Amino acid sequence: DAGITQSPRHKVTETGTPVTLRCHQTENHRYMYWYRQDPGHGLRLIHYSYGVKDTDKGEVSDGYSVSRSKTEDFLLTLESATSSQTSVYFCAIRSGHEYQETQYFGPGTRLLVL
Amino acid sequence: AQKITQTQPGMFVQEKEAVTLDCTYDTSDPSYGLFWYKQPSSGEMIFLIYQGSYDQQNATEGRYSLNFQKARKSANLVISASQLGDSAMYFCAMREGSNQAGTALIFGKGTTLSVSS
Repeated sequence: DAGITQSPRHKVTETGTPVTLRCHQTENHRYMYWYRQDPGHGLRLIHYSYGVKDTDKGEVSDGYSVSRSKTEDFLLTLESATSSQTSVYFCAIRSGHEYQETQYFGPGTRLLVL
Repeated sequence: AQKITQTQPGMFVQEKEAVTLDCTYDTSDPSYGLFWYKQPSSGEMIFLIYQGSYDQQNATEGRYSLNFQKARKSANLVISASQLGDSAMYFCAMREGSNQAGTALIFGKGTTLSVSS
C-alpha cells in the first residue's frame, strides 16, 4: 500500500458536464500519473506530473486537463464529459531508487458518462 | 507497432502447476524497465515484479519470477505452484529510458489466467 487514494470511486454523469477526479498520496512522491483502462487496450497514459505545477501530456490526453498545486494531490478534469470517456481511471505514483523501481496504483475510479 | 505484446488472451492451469505468461517488448532504448501487474476481478492493480534492462539476473519475488531474455526481447512471467487466488488478469508493462526520468509505463493488453482445482 503506497498510500494512494482516489475520489470518487464511482461516478455517473451526463454528457457535457465537467468532472474532476482526485488522486491523493501521503508519501511525498514526486511523480504521479493518470491512466485510463478500457477493454482491449490495457492501460493508457492520459497525463503525468513530475512535480508541483509540472505536468505533461500522455498518449490519450485530448479532452482532459490536470493540475497539481500540492505534492500530495493530482487532479484530472474532464472539461465536458463525453461517452467515449466512460472508463476506469487509475492514478499511480513512482517509487523506488536506482536499482529497483515500482509504480503503485490507486484503487481506481469507475466513470460512466451517459 | 505495439511496444508490448501479450499473445495469450487466456490461459488455463490447474492448482499447484507452474504457468508461464508471455510478454515480448520492442524498444531501441538501451535503458528500460519491465513490470508485471496482477488485476483480480475486484479491479485493483497489484505490482508483482520488476526487471531492469541492465540487471544480470532474472528477478524473483516469492512464487513469481521473470524470465528475461534480452536478445529475444521477451520478459515472461513464471508463476510456480499456482493457487486459486492467482486467477486474474495479468499485465506486462515497460518503462523506456532511465528509471530516474519517471517515464510512464506502456502496457500490454493483458492475459487472463484461470486456475482450477
